[in-house]
Amino acid sequence: NAGVMQNPRHLVRRRGQEARLRCSPMKGHSHVYWYRQLPEEGLKFMVYLQKENIIDESGMPKERFSAEFPKEGPSILRIQQVVRGDSAAYFCASSPDRAEKLFFGSGTQLSVL
Amino acid sequence: QKEVEQNSGPLSVPEGAIASLNCTYSDRGSQSFFWYRQYSGKSPELIMFIYSNGDKEDGRFTAQLNKASQYVSLLIRDSQPSDSATYLCAVKTPGSGNTGKLIFGQGTTLQVKP
Repeated sequence: NAGVMQNPRHLVRRRGQEARLRCSPMKGHSHVYWYRQLPEEGLKFMVYLQKENIIDESGMPKERFSAEFPKEGPSILRIQQVVRGDSAAYFCASSPDRAEKLFFGSGTQLSVL
Repeated sequence: QKEVEQNSGPLSVPEGAIASLNCTYSDRGSQSFFWYRQYSGKSPELIMFIYSNGDKEDGRFTAQLNKASQYVSLLIRDSQPSDSATYLCAVKTPGSGNTGKLIFGQGTTLQVKP
């Protein structure tokens, strides 16, 4: 029973490029959360999605960031025109329902040069 | 004031001792409280959750919740070097509604010395 799968593990982008981070939730889980972790800081909520719906995007910057969770395939966090401040670890978590017991993936470390 | 506050540490304890990790939160209406363990470069892993005032024990771990004082703590008995990690306190506030949106503290780094 595979856990939450994220890829890539490491992603290097130059300023102005686009970053696409993928997350496949645990089998049977239909709720996906994205969190960002900056160095020496805790996890910050970004967005909560269910299949084909964005439920809460209150933690996501209004510009350059978008997220989707299509009917088929993984959830995608997309960052356009990356800047150095976007460098962070991005974690995806899933849950089987609206409950708050989250299972985290191993994260994507984004480095912007 | 941060919504969830933890002392970043590091907290250093000798092997076999009790490690005590503390967390305070600002929203008095918060109902659910979680402790995650995160090894360096790894993903957070849920180790304890508590909803009611008092103590909850699971093996070597005990979570303590005091809603009147707005703090939650994690005790680790018989600490082992393998317990060395960052411990994240997470709180579900009323603003989360019926979702898994959690507010995390910055984490406390625990070092257990052999």
